[in-house]
Amino acid sequence: GQQVMQIPQYQHVQEGEDFTTYCNSSTTLSNIQWYKQRPGGHPVFLIQLVKSGEVKKQKRLTFQFGEAKKNSSLHITATQTTDVGTYFCADPSRDNYGQNFVFGPGTRLSVLP
Amino acid sequence: KAGVTQTPRYLIKTRGQQVTLSCSPISGHRSVSWYQQTPGQGLQFLFEYFSETQRNKGNFPGRFSGRQFSNSRSEMNVSTLELGDSALYLCASSLVVSGTSTDTQYFGPGTRLTVL
Repeated sequence: GQQVMQIPQYQHVQEGEDFTTYCNSSTTLSNIQWYKQRPGGHPVFLIQLVKSGEVKKQKRLTFQFGEAKKNSSLHITATQTTDVGTYFCADPSRDNYGQNFVFGPGTRLSVLP
Repeated sequence: KAGVTQTPRYLIKTRGQQVTLSCSPISGHRSVSWYQQTPGQGLQFLFEYFSETQRNKGNFPGRFSGRQFSNSRSEMNVSTLELGDSALYLCASSLVVSGTSTDTQYFGPGTRLTVL
């Protein structure tokens, strides 16, 4: 079946350092979504990428969709303690039967002050 | 708009019992999806309901079932609980805009189920 993989599984950074998480799909994606889950919280939608090679920015966060639409990345510049959490990519596919979201395993980010 | 609400927030059950979890979606959202989140398996899709019909189902045993009511509220039931069912159960609602191929999931706070 379709798989979505993410690396690294964990990342510990010093506050102010950059952070990148990578997402890879075994199949070509129509779109990709990114979610953030704070410790003890629930996943919160961050962004959706649609076009091949698309790059979107949200303040210090930069999201990129690969040219082949099989991979994506999330880069955080100058991390802050508020960036702590787990970042998930997701294949938000919907077919004739309805939604069938496939989430990656997530990258857990720790930021040391 | 109020967000997705789930009740109860915490639940402790023993093996063999059954449990029912409830989810109220964002007003106007007709799709409700359920997920199981565990440290080892991550976020696993259970099923999706739309207009009171189950449209899609993940790879879970038949002990996991659900339903959706006419007001879009949804319930999830797990029968004959096993230790491995201990997890955070998340419900997510989405708008489902016709003509688009994807929807954004708005998650509730989850129900933390512990099976002893």
